[in-house]
Amino acid sequence: DAGVIQSPRHEVTEMGQEVTLRCKPISGHNSLFWYRQTMMRGLELLIYFNNNVPIDDSGMPEDRFSAKMPNASFSTLKIQPSEPRDSAVYFCASSPLPGTNNSPLHFGNGTRLTVT
Amino acid sequence: AQSVTQLDSQVPVFEEAPVELRCNYSSSVSVYLFWYVQYPNQGLQLLLKYLSGSTLVKGINGFEAEFNKSQTSFHLRKPSVHISDTAEYFCAVRSNNNDMRFGAGTRLTVKP
Repeated sequence: DAGVIQSPRHEVTEMGQEVTLRCKPISGHNSLFWYRQTMMRGLELLIYFNNNVPIDDSGMPEDRFSAKMPNASFSTLKIQPSEPRDSAVYFCASSPLPGTNNSPLHFGNGTRLTVT
Repeated sequence: AQSVTQLDSQVPVFEEAPVELRCNYSSSVSVYLFWYVQYPNQGLQLLLKYLSGSTLVKGINGFEAEFNKSQTSFHLRKPSVHISDTAEYFCAVRSNNNDMRFGAGTRLTVKP
């Protein structure tokens, strides 16, 4: 089991550029979550999907942020245009079976984004 | 919606001493509770979980936690810590709406 795979591990970009973060969940997991971690705000839930369908995106900070899950094995989080305050570590997590709410989440190693 | 409060942002402790990391939650429905650990530059790893049944749950690395419904708490404990336990610890709650909310984290520092 390869676990949740995120890419890239590190991303440095200039303000105004588009950034795309990628996630491959664990095979067979039907729920996928995107979190953002900063010193000031801790772990924030941005959006989550069940069976590739976005269920709750109320945590997405602005219209500059968008997330997609075109199939069960891939998701992207896009920031366009990026700003310095978007600098953070972005985590993707997956869990088995939507509706099985007692399942723990399995996290990737995160993408550290720095916007200059 | 559910929420989680971790009462201590930092907990320094000497090696081989006992430790308790506090967590309180709020929710109007039944919840499932979790503790995760995060080592530097890594993602979160599950330590233990409470789903139902016995209120004392044991996890990896010698950690355990006790669910107290009347006090809405889920404190994490270890009777004797090691240097390698130095990390950030997160309490989390999940309920029927499927999302998972995390506390702000507690940084445990074990000193020799």
